[in-house]
Amino acid sequence: GENVEQHPSTLSVQEGDSAVIKCTYSDSASNYFPWYKQELGKRPQLIIDIRSNVGEKKDQRIAVTLNKTAKHFSLHITETQPEDSAVYFCAASTTGYKLSFGAGTTVTVRA
Amino acid sequence: GAVVSQHPSRVICKSGTSVKIECRSLDFQATTMFWYRQFPKKSLMLMATSNEGSKATYEQGVEKDKFLINHASLTLSTLTVTSAHPEDSSFYICSATRTGTGEGIQYFGAGTRLSVL
Repeated sequence: GENVEQHPSTLSVQEGDSAVIKCTYSDSASNYFPWYKQELGKRPQLIIDIRSNVGEKKDQRIAVTLNKTAKHFSLHITETQPEDSAVYFCAASTTGYKLSFGAGTTVTVRA
Repeated sequence: GAVVSQHPSRVICKSGTSVKIECRSLDFQATTMFWYRQFPKKSLMLMATSNEGSKATYEQGVEKDKFLINHASLTLSTLTVTSAHPEDSSFYICSATRTGTGEGIQYFGAGTRLSVL
């Protein structure tokens, strides 16, 4: 089955700086890669996703890049704000089927 | 759109009793729903895939007789933890995908925190 590895497990950044989280996946058939943000005790919220037919996608301060050859994808958050503090999960799947999640990255934005 | 409601949000029960958790898609039809378990500061662990009108598909190591899943309609899936024990205490989260779109996006419920005494 699919194996998704996520790094780093924790990330502390100064407000205004950028944050980068990296994930690798094992199944070359995976074609859908979402990123979820989860605040303590809350539901995971989809913040951005990318499909295998594109290499990069951006939504305001958030961007995701995908390298299918190397089987890795990354989340980039620019101009971080205190409200960006949360746990971020990457995931991979074949569209319409189950997601395999990474272990999560706890992001702390220091004011 | 794409709202998933999960109830109850929190439940405390005695050891040996059964607990039912409901997952509803409020504004869309969901042929497929997923049930996850999440331990503190850990990732989401898929327990089973729930398919409307058919038997659920359980992940390896998940006891199907302990975690009963019923998906009787296109908007409702239920997870029943039977004969609950303290080790079943956890955060259970469901998700649903919109039928017919092929988009594969999973929309999550708010989760149920189960505490077994």
